[in-house]
Amino acid sequence: DTGVSQDPRHKITKRGQNVTFRCDPISEHNRLYWYRQTLGQGPEFLTYFQNEAQLEKSRLLSDRFSAERPKGSFSTLEIQRTEQGDSAMYLCASRPNLRTGLYETQYFGPGTRLLVL
Amino acid sequence: KQEVTQIPAALSVPEGENLVLNCSFTDSAIYNLQWFRQDPGKGLTSLLLIQSSQREQTSGRLNASLDKSSGRSTLYIAASQPGDSATYLCAVGSGANSKLTFGKGITLSVRP
Repeated sequence: DTGVSQDPRHKITKRGQNVTFRCDPISEHNRLYWYRQTLGQGPEFLTYFQNEAQLEKSRLLSDRFSAERPKGSFSTLEIQRTEQGDSAMYLCASRPNLRTGLYETQYFGPGTRLLVL
Repeated sequence: KQEVTQIPAALSVPEGENLVLNCSFTDSAIYNLQWFRQDPGKGLTSLLLIQSSQREQTSGRLNASLDKSSGRSTLYIAASQPGDSATYLCAVGSGANSKLTFGKGITLSVRP
């Protein structure tokens, strides 16, 4: 088990372009979360999946953002028509479904750092 | 709406000192509280998780406590080392999906 992985680790794009990030959770973790972190701030919740179902979306997730988790395994986060304000670190986390003890721990990936020029 | 506060934003201590990092939250209806470490430009490493029914958790030189009624948690680091230098984030798990609400973090510098 190698932990949560994210790809790419860094992305530089021009304003108006579309970008897509991928997250591979720890195997058999059926809960998956996306967060966004800007400089000097703590991460902010974006969206949550249980298996393939997207069960919660933050109001931060504008209609330019879309997330999927086909087959309940990896997840993708797409940003359309990027804006400079989208520049941030995008973090993915996963955890098992059981609500007992350490099973509640969310494990984070290394993040994708996005810079929109 | 849950709000999490960590004060001060930065802390510098000499090596060997025992220290306490504070975290406060506004809504006591939480499922758990998690402390993370973040190195510059990196992702988050989970340090400790305290369930809502627990008062404290320990791992090595780290001890975290939780007082739900007062909306407070502390992370105690014993015998600090330069390798402990990082940003420490407190996050409260709440809501049906246990999403985390984070503080802004405390940037710790341990001087040799």
